[in-house]
Amino acid sequence: DAMVIQNPRYQVTQFGKPVTLSCSQTLNHNVMYWYQQKSSQAPKLLFHYYDKDFNNEADTPDNFQSRRPNTSFCFLDIRSPGLGDAAMYLCATSSGRIETQYFGPGTRLLVL
Amino acid sequence: AQSVTQLDSHVSVSEGTPVLLRCNYSSSYSPSLFWYVQHPNKGLQLLLKYTSAATLVKGINGFEAEFKKSETSFHLTKPSAHMSDAAEYFCVVGFSGGYNKLIFGAGTRLAVHP
Repeated sequence: DAMVIQNPRYQVTQFGKPVTLSCSQTLNHNVMYWYQQKSSQAPKLLFHYYDKDFNNEADTPDNFQSRRPNTSFCFLDIRSPGLGDAAMYLCATSSGRIETQYFGPGTRLLVL
Repeated sequence: AQSVTQLDSHVSVSEGTPVLLRCNYSSSYSPSLFWYVQHPNKGLQLLLKYTSAATLVKGINGFEAEFKKSETSFHLTKPSAHMSDAAEYFCVVGFSGGYNKLIFGAGTRLAVHP
């Protein structure tokens, strides 16, 4: 039973063409996270929502935006993807900020 | 300042031999401690979590970790490695007291040889 679902699993986009990645959860968790993970590196937190409260990391580029229309769904928008944005994007959820995070399978983004 | 250090970026073992992946943290507060595993092109899966109920925590797939407060360590062990254990392992620490975030270690890549 999938608990954190990410679509699509693979996304190819063109340089500068906006792209949206989606995440949904069946856990009814308050907190949803977006991470960027590049090859052989740890996941890097981009931002998170605590309920409707949006929390951006200080070093997250403005090119990255997020929306959470309801408890179950969260979107990552990349307004003008650059070659350096090619990465795995991971969504995670938790019941609290320092509680166990449950990860989706990730979306691998390729920028041509 | 809060930080997490995984002492080995790569560990290589033979199948059937013990595994030790080391993790140290620094914090002024009592942390929450986790180990996650990531297989290639997959999301992260929780192996185990320290809940303060016991210093020795048992996880999935035969892994366990021991919390040693005096050493600020949370090393991951397994008595006998299996080929399917080959993956990236992340030590993750949650710091309360105002920070309220999980911090990921840099990861340890475990290779298991026949």
